[in-house]
Amino acid sequence: QKEVEQNSGPLSVPEGAIASLNCTYSDRGSQSFFWYRQYSGKSPELIMSIYSNGDKEDGRFTAQLNKASQYVSLLIRDSQPSDSATYLCAVSPRGGSQGNLIFGKGTKLSVKP
Amino acid sequence: DTGVSQNPRHKITKRGQNVTFRCDPISEHNRLYWYRQTLGQGPEFLTYFQNEAQLEKSRLLSDRFSAERPKGSFSTLEIQRTEQGDSAMYLCASSSGGGSSGNTIYFGEGSWLTVV
Repeated sequence: QKEVEQNSGPLSVPEGAIASLNCTYSDRGSQSFFWYRQYSGKSPELIMSIYSNGDKEDGRFTAQLNKASQYVSLLIRDSQPSDSATYLCAVSPRGGSQGNLIFGKGTKLSVKP
Repeated sequence: DTGVSQNPRHKITKRGQNVTFRCDPISEHNRLYWYRQTLGQGPEFLTYFQNEAQLEKSRLLSDRFSAERPKGSFSTLEIQRTEQGDSAMYLCASSSGGGSSGNTIYFGEGSWLTVV
């Protein structure tokens, strides 16, 4: 059973702080990794994709991938109340169609003003 | 708007009735996916089309569920003899399938189903 694990939270951080969201996955052959943001009652919105080990930065967001440890993380710098949402980690497993993503249950982030 | 479009956005139906959802993908995308999401869970993959061919189906897709993409453009997802356990948000997504970012999928706004 291919799995993606996330701490469900809630993770509460003060405005301006760094929020750190973590994700582990079971399929060592996974190739593609994604972070989606989902506001309550809305559909998932892509924030970041990462394919190789290391860090990838986009504005206030940094995704980190460590394939040896089967670990993906998302850092949000200078957190804003508008960042309050559920963050979903998704993994494209080996052998699956591209786009047959396996999602974690999501981590709920709350940024307090 | 050039995003993924889904309708209806909300559907309330009585148990045992059939429902159909429609999805129009991003126009240049040849891959189309259906996912289902229930409260507190991440989206779960249901099925995937490349052009008009249905290439993959999850075991979650029982025989009451059928999906089509007859001309390789829009797709429909039909649920027959609905059950209360079918209540969920049904998400359609699409991707271009090409290049390094071709497997990045973009979701529509979702279709909420409530079975009473």
